[in-house]
Amino acid sequence: AAGVIQSPRHLIKEKRETATLKCYPIPRHDTVYWYQQGPGQDPQFLISFYEKMQSDKGSIPDRFSAQQFSDYHSELNMSSLELGDSALYFCASSELGAPYEQYFGPGTRLTVT
Amino acid sequence: QKEVEQNSGPLSVPEGAIASLNCTYSDRGSQSFFWYRQYSGKSPELIMSIYSNGDKEDGRFTAQLNKASQYVSLLIRDSQPSDSATYLCAVDQLRAAGNKLTFGGGTRVLVKP
Repeated sequence: AAGVIQSPRHLIKEKRETATLKCYPIPRHDTVYWYQQGPGQDPQFLISFYEKMQSDKGSIPDRFSAQQFSDYHSELNMSSLELGDSALYFCASSELGAPYEQYFGPGTRLTVT
Repeated sequence: QKEVEQNSGPLSVPEGAIASLNCTYSDRGSQSFFWYRQYSGKSPELIMSIYSNGDKEDGRFTAQLNKASQYVSLLIRDSQPSDSATYLCAVDQLRAAGNKLTFGGGTRVLVKP
């Protein structure tokens, strides 16, 4: 079965640079979620989109922004990167209607040096 | 108090035995409950979801929900070395499109041959 696709899988950036992470949801899934997972921590919710509108917002820094496009893919834009932004970034998707089960992509490992 | 709590482990289980994982949550109105399995450096994989009080079985996995006690558990029968992973309990408080998952800290399970 098709899964969530994320690109790139690995990304190395320097402090103060920008990064763009992309997420392609499972076909026919219209809701996308972004999570950040630091070493030894559980995933922390950043932001979600339903039908191209922001749906819920968590602890996402002001330096980060995200959007969902007409084909339902989503991009997470990260500016003025800091060392503390180094983490795994997961995208998840769910289909329209209950039970809103979230299926996670393989993640993007971001390293900020 | 964290919104979702799990014993961090490690939970050491002999091969073939039953592993029992517990999770408590603080929001009495929470609607949906999920168990994810996560191998080191990989993404969370959905293994069980439960929405009503009682038991739900899927293969070697059984999820149990008690909303009155704000408690959800996961049993893994006939544990295999491949079950060694971190198990994340996740709670959706609203059960709506785009709503975030709140994770417990995860329980690390080690199945010894």
